[in-house]
Amino acid sequence: GQNIDQPTEMTATEGAIVQINCTYQTSGFNGLFWYQQHAGEAPTFLSYNVLDGLEEKGRFSSFLSRSKGYSYLLLKELQMKDSASYLCAYMNYGGSQGNLIFGKGTKLSVKP
Amino acid sequence: IAGITQAPTSQILAAGRRMTLRCTQDMRHNAMYWYRQDLGLGLRLIHYSNTAGTTGKGEVPDGYSVSRANTDDFPLTLASAVPSQTSVYFCASSRPGANVLTFGAGSRLTVL
Repeated sequence: GQNIDQPTEMTATEGAIVQINCTYQTSGFNGLFWYQQHAGEAPTFLSYNVLDGLEEKGRFSSFLSRSKGYSYLLLKELQMKDSASYLCAYMNYGGSQGNLIFGKGTKLSVKP
Repeated sequence: IAGITQAPTSQILAAGRRMTLRCTQDMRHNAMYWYRQDLGLGLRLIHYSNTAGTTGKGEVPDGYSVSRANTDDFPLTLASAVPSQTSVYFCASSRPGANVLTFGAGSRLTVL
């Protein structure tokens, strides 16, 4: 299998903050992606980190530490519509363009 | 509407039958991909194509074939379907110089 790991499920409360972690191991890293997938729908792109640090995009932020093989997705001011699976994926340098290795996804349930 | 169109949306197929899943994009993206998504396993790359006329194998290519005669179309063929190929199949594409994938809505295939 692929060397990428994220929690299977998480639960959080509406209005709260949740952090979804992702760890990976690869010798030729070329970027870390987060996708959102609602049940029965296609994944949609959320964020992309290639350099260390935090990328903020509205309520969502993504962090990367290449030396630690670690990323997280931070969701603030949670809304019920944020209930979905969140997919972490990395791309290997030299691999096919867009050839992403996906984690198994974290199913987030937001409760009132 | 620009995007990726997959057909059929859903199909039930007898084992041993031949099946082609169709994928068409109108975004002039150069690269296209086929993933399968299974519960507990996440998205896994079957085949990809970096440009028209070329194809490559992903993580789980056995039992599948693809062709890329032109930029827009990337059909996936199961020559002789087996029950383990029961899955949701997603076609995706990405434009030159970008690594972000745009996914189709998916094709749910059940092999009995």
